Amino acid sequence: AQSVTQPDIHITVSEGASLELRCNYSYGATPYLFWYVQSPGQGLQLLLKYFSGDTLVQGIKGFEAEFKRSQSSFNLRKPSVHWSDAAEYFCAVGADNTDKLIFGTGTRLQVFP
Amino acid sequence: DAGVTQSPTHLIKTRGQQVTLRCSPKSGHDTVSWYQQALGQGPQFIFQYYEEEERQRGNFPDRFSGHQFPNYSSELNVNALLLGDSALYLCASSFTQVAKNIQYFGAGTRLSVL
Repeated sequence: AQSVTQPDIHITVSEGASLELRCNYSYGATPYLFWYVQSPGQGLQLLLKYFSGDTLVQGIKGFEAEFKRSQSSFNLRKPSVHWSDAAEYFCAVGADNTDKLIFGTGTRLQVFP
Repeated sequence: DAGVTQSPTHLIKTRGQQVTLRCSPKSGHDTVSWYQQALGQGPQFIFQYYEEEERQRGNFPDRFSGHQFPNYSSELNVNALLLGDSALYLCASSFTQVAKNIQYFGAGTRLSVL
């Protein structure tokens, strides 16, 4: 069955520290991978996507993610976190043979000054 | 350029009632998907509409139905509301000719069922 796992429910970092949010997926077809961010009371904003090619993808707001097929992972990283990055982050998987996105349960990021 | 817009923002209903949620896609987009996000969970795919037809459906009962209009806007209808239907309902739009999976989300409609 298709699934996305985000092992960390809640992460707390200090402003200026580096960040890595983990995402593992299970999908039989070639996956399309996404990271979305959701601020309180808001919808989802697309941070970045991976369809094919270079396994390191750059996104908005200084975020990047690396696709590792051998580990079925698509971890999100940022070298220096800002207080405004505090939000809920969702990893999602799609594929060419389906219309739906399958989301993980999310990781809540808290940033201390 | 307006993004995906949803209405209403909030809605309170009682069990057994029916509700209609509305979505206007991002300009240039022709495909609309609906998701349900329960508190503390990730969004769950309900269904997707393209060319005024339901193209794919998730694991939701027939109480959940939808419609897409010629201008690509869409409605989500839920009949016989249950307490468990309380959630944030998100609409996402995409352009099929580019990639139907690159979906842009609205701010959602918060439905509370009492």
